[in-house]
Amino acid sequence: EAQVTQNPRYLITVTGKKLTVTCSQNMNHEYMSWYRQDPGLGLRQIYYSMNVEVTDKGDVPEGYKVSRKEKRNFPLILESPSPNQTSLYFCASSSPRGSPLHFGNGTRLTVT
Amino acid sequence: AQSVTQLDSQVPVFEEAPVELRCNYSSSVSVYLFWYVQYPNQGLQLLLKYLSGSTLVKGINGFEAEFNKSQTSFHLRKPSVHISDTAEYFCAVTPFFGNEKLTFGTGTRLTIIP
Repeated sequence: EAQVTQNPRYLITVTGKKLTVTCSQNMNHEYMSWYRQDPGLGLRQIYYSMNVEVTDKGDVPEGYKVSRKEKRNFPLILESPSPNQTSLYFCASSSPRGSPLHFGNGTRLTVT
Repeated sequence: AQSVTQLDSQVPVFEEAPVELRCNYSSSVSVYLFWYVQYPNQGLQLLLKYLSGSTLVKGINGFEAEFNKSQTSFHLRKPSVHISDTAEYFCAVTPFFGNEKLTFGTGTRLTIIP
């Protein structure tokens, strides 16, 4: 089954404790992206990647890091999480331009 | 750069009534347009898309949308809604050329009243 898999689904952590949210897709997609969803703000792009070793900032990259060492994986790293990063995070992937994004089921992160 | 405006944050509709969810966009280049739906506690899934050709596009679950270039709009419609249509709906655009950034609107929460 074609899918984007994110882990974990839920995560509660404390300020400053490094964490990684994993994202993996099995569709051989070149393009991958991370979004955060906040009430009233819709989805805002954090980082995206056009292919292996090619990443770029989205609208709200501060406080986040990504890497794309393999085509299928695109982890999101929070080196020192803060409470304002409490949010619902989505990973997504797609193939040629104009193709729809395939989304993971989301990771709900709470930073206390 | 592009932007998307969904003016209605919440739309309550009686079951079996028609609905229109509005989407307007702004872009200096030609764009592809999408509508995504998010059911409670789930990720987003594609409802329909406009790439080129006929300006009226049909999607899943009986939804359709019409691309109006002069008004830079891409409104979503359904002639008769069901309880199962309760969800949040997002309009999104991405440019034909340049980066592949997909820009989302802030979403419209559709609530169906029995």
